[in-house]
Amino acid sequence: RKEVEQDPGPFNVPEGATVAFNCTYSNSASQSFFWYRQDCRKEPKLLMSVYSSGNEDGRFTAQLNRASQYISLLIRDSKLSDSATYLCVVIFSSNTGKLIFGQGTTLQVKP
Amino acid sequence: GAVVSQHPSRVICKSGTSVKIECRSLDFQATTMFWYRQFPKQSLMLMATSNEGSKATYEQGVEKDKFLINHASLTLSTLTVTSAHPEDSSFYICSAKVQASQETQYFGPGTRLLVL
Repeated sequence: RKEVEQDPGPFNVPEGATVAFNCTYSNSASQSFFWYRQDCRKEPKLLMSVYSSGNEDGRFTAQLNRASQYISLLIRDSKLSDSATYLCVVIFSSNTGKLIFGQGTTLQVKP
Repeated sequence: GAVVSQHPSRVICKSGTSVKIECRSLDFQATTMFWYRQFPKQSLMLMATSNEGSKATYEQGVEKDKFLINHASLTLSTLTVTSAHPEDSSFYICSAKVQASQETQYFGPGTRLLVL
């Protein structure tokens, strides 16, 4: 079983749609969680951290369910510029700071 | 935010040659840098953790004699792919932590390596 699993998609949605991605992780002792965005042939960039209480940043909402070991990302009112691959990232141990990346979920927003 | 650069951005080389990739933190000192590799349609895989002034820690399955890492200063880490082969062709990305205690890593723009 992969340490961090995501549905690779692609998710094809029209502009203005709401889309949600899920990610599951295998290590129950995982400590920190993030969503990164990666554009084609570019480096990943931090989109947002994920907190236990859930957090929102504009059109983006991230939630963490420790009991079920999954993380979600909700994008409202999708824009063409949201088209990218969204990477779920977990830190298992703050001592090492190692980021464990999911495969990524590809989103394509159509006009 | 913190800026990390990589050089070169892309390189094409013949099989058997060695390639050096530089990772620099431009506006901060990075005690820890990480090297990742990403094959097409796959996730980033951590290759090694590089700490300034000490030997790198390699992930399982990564050959330390093939992927030489040097972190001689707080702003520079280098990855040398020795005797590169076509299967080493990949996207190599470095990242750096601003402070050891912080979790956020800032990524370089990556280096595309193509070995013919």
